[in-house]
Amino acid sequence: KAGVTQTPRYLIKTRGQQVTLSCSPISGHRSVSWYQQTPGQGLQFLFEYFSETQRNKGNFPGRFSGRQFSNSRSEMNVSTLELGDSALYLCASSSLGRGRQETQYFGPGTRLLVL
Amino acid sequence: DQQVKQNSPSLSVQEGRISILNCDYTNSMFDYFLWYKKYPAEGPTFLISISSIKDKNEDGRFTVFLNKSAKHLSLHIVPSQPGDSAVYFCAAMLSPNAGGTSYGKLTFGQGTILTVHP
Repeated sequence: KAGVTQTPRYLIKTRGQQVTLSCSPISGHRSVSWYQQTPGQGLQFLFEYFSETQRNKGNFPGRFSGRQFSNSRSEMNVSTLELGDSALYLCASSSLGRGRQETQYFGPGTRLLVL
Repeated sequence: DQQVKQNSPSLSVQEGRISILNCDYTNSMFDYFLWYKKYPAEGPTFLISISSIKDKNEDGRFTVFLNKSAKHLSLHIVPSQPGDSAVYFCAAMLSPNAGGTSYGKLTFGQGTILTVHP
């Protein structure tokens, strides 16, 4: 079974631009979570989607948004990019989306650099 | 407020010996704990997990111990191998009793860099 895939793997943008990142979960997995990893803040939860609905959201500004499609693929969007948005963005999927005691499997991440 | 803490930024171990990585948490509503291994610029790889109803879970060379009263968990790797050298993260998930804030959210520690010397 293929793992979680993320595209693109690397991205360079300039301040003020917007960016869209894509995540394809493991086949059959219905829950997708997004995380941001930075040297200063570590791994921080952005949001979680299940059946095309956002069920949970972390403490990030409204510039960060996402969506999930009927095939469970997910995208996240960051508008009006700031230098501090430079990070590794990770997506993870889990099978049942029960929200409890489920292992999340991570993709390789998208490295975003904002200049 | 860091609810999951890994107080040792790094650990150095000789090949063949035991590696013990520690993790403390403050929120008693966490009821599922996971350990991940990570290389730079890659996604975390799942190693092992434990539910709060257990105090030990074993998978090959990896064993996780949970002490609920102390809010402490540890990962033991025996024997350690040079290929184990990586950053190790512990993560915790809230019980559904915590409400909507439990869905799909892992809270991570800051990580411990493990170096296994040949």
